[in-house]
Amino acid sequence: DTQMTQSPSSLSASVGDRVTITCRASQSISNFLCWYQQKPGKAPKVLICAASGLQSGVPSRFSGSGSGTDFTLTISSLQPEDFATYYCQQSYSLPLTFGQGTRLEIK
Amino acid sequence: QVQLVESGGGVVQPGGSLRLSCAASGFTFTNYGMHWVRQAPGEGLEWVTFIRFDGSNKYYADSVKGRFTISRDNSMSTLYLQMDSLRAEDTAVYYCAKGINRDDYNLLYWGQGTQVTVSS
Repeated sequence: DTQMTQSPSSLSASVGDRVTITCRASQSISNFLCWYQQKPGKAPKVLICAASGLQSGVPSRFSGSGSGTDFTLTISSLQPEDFATYYCQQSYSLPLTFGQGTRLEIK
Repeated sequence: QVQLVESGGGVVQPGGSLRLSCAASGFTFTNYGMHWVRQAPGEGLEWVTFIRFDGSNKYYADSVKGRFTISRDNSMSTLYLQMDSLRAEDTAVYYCAKGINRDDYNLLYWGQGTQVTVSS
């Protein structure tokens, strides 16, 4: 199984800040990587797939990069609605695996 | 638009059974593989199982293999998860999800989830 390791596990930031979350796979997954945002009591929402492909309707302040084993999610200028938990997920092979999550909190 | 609506959750005793349903609409159900993903209270996301678009292959996480069974009724556009020999650690919100391509591992669409609680 491919293990996904996210860092940091939590992060405090202010509106307008630029933040970066990293995700590392235990083996190469090419660019088969998605990022999700989840708010309390809600289903996850996909932001990015294929490592850097922004999904329809997602604001352009979100961006993704990486390939192989190392990936990043960047939010260029935090907005109030961005405070949530973020997960990476490898879509390379079954079993699908997720990172443990990064909780983004307001400073 | 794509809609996935889970139902069937509830409270069940350890060792008991429960069947979850996921009613799909807004797309041609027979053309897509489907997943179940769960989330225990305060925890992260865990993939549970996947069934191919035609039901020909099914895959399970080790944590549920031999206890859970995924199935689908393409005539009813409905996905199922039969959960037997339930344990306390199966307590979670269960989501059905699908991608945009036939047997897609990118989870673009999610239902709202249904709560399963295993407790005596």
